[in-house]
Amino acid sequence: DTGVSQNPRHKITKRGQNVTFRCDPISEHNRLYWYRQTLGQGPEFLTYFQNEAQLEKSRLLSDRFSAERPKGSFSTLEIQRTEQGDSAMYLCASSLVSVGQGYEQYFGPGTRLTVT
Amino acid sequence: TQLLEQSPQFLSIQEGENLTVYCNSSSVFSSLQWYRQEPGEGPVLLVTVVTGGEVKKLKRLTFQFGDARKDSSLHITAAQPGDTGLYLCAGAWPGANNLFFGTGTRLTVIP
Repeated sequence: DTGVSQNPRHKITKRGQNVTFRCDPISEHNRLYWYRQTLGQGPEFLTYFQNEAQLEKSRLLSDRFSAERPKGSFSTLEIQRTEQGDSAMYLCASSLVSVGQGYEQYFGPGTRLTVT
Repeated sequence: TQLLEQSPQFLSIQEGENLTVYCNSSSVFSSLQWYRQEPGEGPVLLVTVVTGGEVKKLKRLTFQFGDARKDSSLHITAAQPGDTGLYLCAGAWPGANNLFFGTGTRLTVIP
């Protein structure tokens, strides 16, 4: 079990540029979540997928954000026209949801985005 | 608004001391998780509690879920420098598919 992996670990970009992050969940997990964490705060939910279907989006997920999970395995999170307020740690988590189970989410190491 | 409050926000103690941190909400959780996070890393799951009144132990860490499933506590016995980190509680409300996190308790254990 290699756990949840995320790439890149760090990204520095200039305001207005587009960035894309990748998340590889634990292989047998059917749910994948994206969270954002700013300094001094706990993670905040952005969106989640059940297999390849994106089932829920938070109000935090503006039109500049898009997430995909094309084959129900890895996922990408793209931010278009980045703004300084997008600077944060972007966390991916996965879980195995079945009847009576699925409470536990396992997180990756995160991608730290800095917009200059 | 569903709020999940953690206290204290910051805690600095000497090695060997005991401590308790708290997680409170006005709403009922279907489950609650405790995580520890180190700088620059993702949260690492410590425990999940589901049943009201449940107590779970993980070595020197004792987790308790309130009878009404609105609150939880984490007690650490004989703290060690390796316990230093940000402790986050995260709750799932009935029908919710995501976790809602508190702001965390930042613990520093001084050797």
